[in-house]
Amino acid sequence: DAKTTQPPSMDCAEGRAANLPCNHSTISGNEYVYWYRQIHSQGPQYIIHGLKNNETNEMASLIITEDRKSSTLILPHATLRDTAVYYCIVRLAHNQGGKLIFGQGTELSVKP
Amino acid sequence: SQTIHQWPATLVQPVGSPLSLECTVEGTSNPNLYWYRQAAGRGLQLLFYSVGIGQISSEVPQNLSASRPQDRQFILSSKKLLLSDSGFYLCAWSPGGGTNTGELFFGEGSRLTVL
Repeated sequence: DAKTTQPPSMDCAEGRAANLPCNHSTISGNEYVYWYRQIHSQGPQYIIHGLKNNETNEMASLIITEDRKSSTLILPHATLRDTAVYYCIVRLAHNQGGKLIFGQGTELSVKP
Repeated sequence: SQTIHQWPATLVQPVGSPLSLECTVEGTSNPNLYWYRQAAGRGLQLLFYSVGIGQISSEVPQNLSASRPQDRQFILSSKKLLLSDSGFYLCAWSPGGGTNTGELFFGEGSRLTVL
């Protein structure tokens, strides 16, 4: 599974959009991009995933560049409860043997 | 709806003692099951995963073992704990079969301190 690179920490003002970048320059054509987050002392929570197209759900938007070498997770209106560590993961589909391997993630601090 | 539970939530054990952490999933059948460990700081390490009863894959060599005696039960064990086994252990499940989207559902975690 491809490796990802994320900034170790970021700050965001409450109510503003939080844009979390992720580099995955060695991603292969059949690997998906997943985002999870982990609030302190809890298990990680799935946010969103995508392959090529941009995706949006009730939690966030995922923007994947055309060459798929990087992506951005967007929390449109960050709240204090969005303070967490955000993990960007690339992996093959499960039926191709892909497993979720977590890196160090980005620690997002949402400030009032 | 599906639920996942793991216990105990916290555990303090002396070096050399045995360990047993248990995880059960309800509301689904034939799930894929996973054990992760998170040492001090962040970063989750995949320890074991299982696609069926009695089928265990180990991701890293270590002092721990896993077993799946029933379809929805996953147990993490050790015969003799080491100080380095301290950490936050997380059990997770995902739907079995070839249509898995890759979404994992995590339990509440078990915090182990080895003294």
